[in-house]
Amino acid sequence: KNQVEQSPQSLIILEGKNCTLQCNYTVSPFSNLRWYKQDTGRGPVSLTIMTFSENTKSNGRYTATLDADTKQSSLHITASQLSDSASYICVVSGGSARQLTFGSGTQLTVLP
Amino acid sequence: GAGVSQSPSNKVTEKGKDVELRCDPISGHTALYWYRQSLGQGLEFLIYFQGNSAPDKSGLPSDRFSAERTGGSVSTLTIQRTQQEDSAVYLCASTISPSGKTGELFFGEGSRLTVL
Repeated sequence: KNQVEQSPQSLIILEGKNCTLQCNYTVSPFSNLRWYKQDTGRGPVSLTIMTFSENTKSNGRYTATLDADTKQSSLHITASQLSDSASYICVVSGGSARQLTFGSGTQLTVLP
Repeated sequence: GAGVSQSPSNKVTEKGKDVELRCDPISGHTALYWYRQSLGQGLEFLIYFQGNSAPDKSGLPSDRFSAERTGGSVSTLTIQRTQQEDSAVYLCASTISPSGKTGELFFGEGSRLTVL
């Protein structure tokens, strides 16, 4: 069964600090992995996509990594801001448009 | 509009009533998904439409749930005889899906359903 597990479930950090969110998956076949950010009361928005051949990709203060051998991805947030407070969802895509497996998300709270 | 539009944004109904939730996807997006998100939980797949193909209904939790997509555009999710456990946020997403590969999902703001 395809699964995506995220850790930690929740995280509280102080503004300006860095943090790393983890995503482990057992999805086959593998097409790509996306990280989405979901603000409270809003729909998720894509932050970055990782394909099989990519190891690292940055989007501003967000850096995603992918280890296809160990089936692990991480999302690193640098110099956190209050607006980073949100749920971060890892989504792994299989071989077809239907095959999307969602993680339960990491709830990040950034405090002043 | 530029994004995925969902209505109503909030719906409060009494147990046993029927409700209809509407999704207007981004123009030109051939694939449309419905998800359910209960409080503090991850997204639960409900149904998927791709072009003129038969929809994938494998995620619908019971026969009280149904959905249609007219003209390859607007979709309606209908819940009959609502129960309290149906209370959740219902999210719609659309994407261009070339060659069977999954592109970025563009989500609406969701419809928050509360069943009293």
